[in-house]
Amino acid sequence: DIVMTQSPDSLAVSLGERATIHCKSSQSVLYSSNNQNYLAWYQQKPGQSPKLLIYWASARESGVPDRFSGSGSGTDFTLTISSLQAEDVAVYYCQQYYNVPRTFGQGTKVEIK
Amino acid sequence: QVQLVQSGAEVKKPGASVRLSCKTSGDSFSAYHIHWVRQALGQGLQWMGTINPSAGSTTYAQKLQGRVAMTRDTSTSTVYMELSSLRTDDTAIYYCATAPKLGLAASRITGGGWLDSWGQGSLVTVSS
Repeated sequence: DIVMTQSPDSLAVSLGERATIHCKSSQSVLYSSNNQNYLAWYQQKPGQSPKLLIYWASARESGVPDRFSGSGSGTDFTLTISSLQAEDVAVYYCQQYYNVPRTFGQGTKVEIK
Repeated sequence: QVQLVQSGAEVKKPGASVRLSCKTSGDSFSAYHIHWVRQALGQGLQWMGTINPSAGSTTYAQKLQGRVAMTRDTSTSTVYMELSSLRTDDTAIYYCATAPKLGLAASRITGGGWLDSWGQGSLVTVSS
């Protein structure tokens, strides 16, 4: 199984400041045939279902604010919230869809400082 | 986008089975794959498996093999997930989610891509 490891487990950021979450996979999720990274990011607010933010490691889902961005390739990925808003308080998960079983990171909790 | 409405909460005893439903609307039933993901309370997300609603083909997480079965009813655009031999550690919220079908060049594994629409979740409590 591909193990997805996120860091940090939690972080507190001031409103308007940048939040950065890292995700590392135990093997590459870059598919050489199409040069795409099979990596998605999700946001889960308290009491809600997860919501897709990013796919193909850096493609923003329709309707997702542009303060959310994804980057990285191979085994190392980053989700950045450029200017944290109150409504961004949530747990964020990365997930690979490169292999079965599809695996998630353990989650990173983002709070307001 | 697809809307997914899941069945209600269930309380089961250890050793029993539970069958959850996930009714889809808003797009063709054959346009996507359906995945099931569960989340123990306060814990992370665990992928359980996927079904191709048009073909009925399934892929399950190895850890659940033999206990999980996913089926579909094309006449009602509903997918079902049955989990048997329930244990207390199966207590969780169970989500269904859609994944877009990827083109041939992008399809590495079965089940399509990312999970773009999620149901509201069904709480299953396993307790004696």
